[in-house]
Amino acid sequence: DAKTTQPTSMDCAEGRAANLPCNHSTISGNEYVYWYRQIHSQGPQYIIHGLKNNETNEMASLIITEDRKSSTLILPHATLRDTAVYYCIVRGGPYGGATNKLIFGTGTLLAVQP
Amino acid sequence: DAGVTQSPTHLIKTRGQQVTLRCSPKSGHDTVSWYQQALGQGPQFIFQYYEEEERQRGNFPDRFSGHQFPNYSSELNVNALLLGDSALYLCASSAYLTGTSSYNEQFFGPGTRLTVL
Repeated sequence: DAKTTQPTSMDCAEGRAANLPCNHSTISGNEYVYWYRQIHSQGPQYIIHGLKNNETNEMASLIITEDRKSSTLILPHATLRDTAVYYCIVRGGPYGGATNKLIFGTGTLLAVQP
Repeated sequence: DAGVTQSPTHLIKTRGQQVTLRCSPKSGHDTVSWYQQALGQGPQFIFQYYEEEERQRGNFPDRFSGHQFPNYSSELNVNALLLGDSALYLCASSAYLTGTSSYNEQFFGPGTRLTVL
């Protein structure tokens, strides 16, 4: 699985958009980009994933560059409850079979300020 | 619908002891993965169970072993505890994929905090 690079920490004002970057320059053609977050003292929570097209769900948007070497997770209107460690993970798509393991880095601590 | 549950919540052991942690997967899930998360680090994959067999394993010594029961619940056993085994142990469940799919989401439990003294 490709390695990812994320900033250690970021701040965001409440109500503003939070843009979390991730570099994955060694990503291969069949690898997906996944985002999870971990609120303090809880287990990680799935946010979104994508292959090459931009994706949006009720939680966030994922923007993947055309060369797929980097991506940005966007929380459109950050709230205090979005304060968490955000993990960007690259892994192959599980086309049948058991779940592939998730390889977590140290993530980005997003602090949403009131 | 209950999500992933883990027990106990907290545990304190001494070096050399053995510990068993338990996990019940989310309803409808049949695959269980275990992760270890040291303080300030991201979770590290230990192993994964499906159909009562270990399917994948991370870089952990044989002191770490597991089991999956017919009802899909799972146990993580750690023998000869070391101080470095102190961590949050996370269980994640998912559904075994059939056919093609971009992703089968893993749902994590709240974890068991193990302290080894």
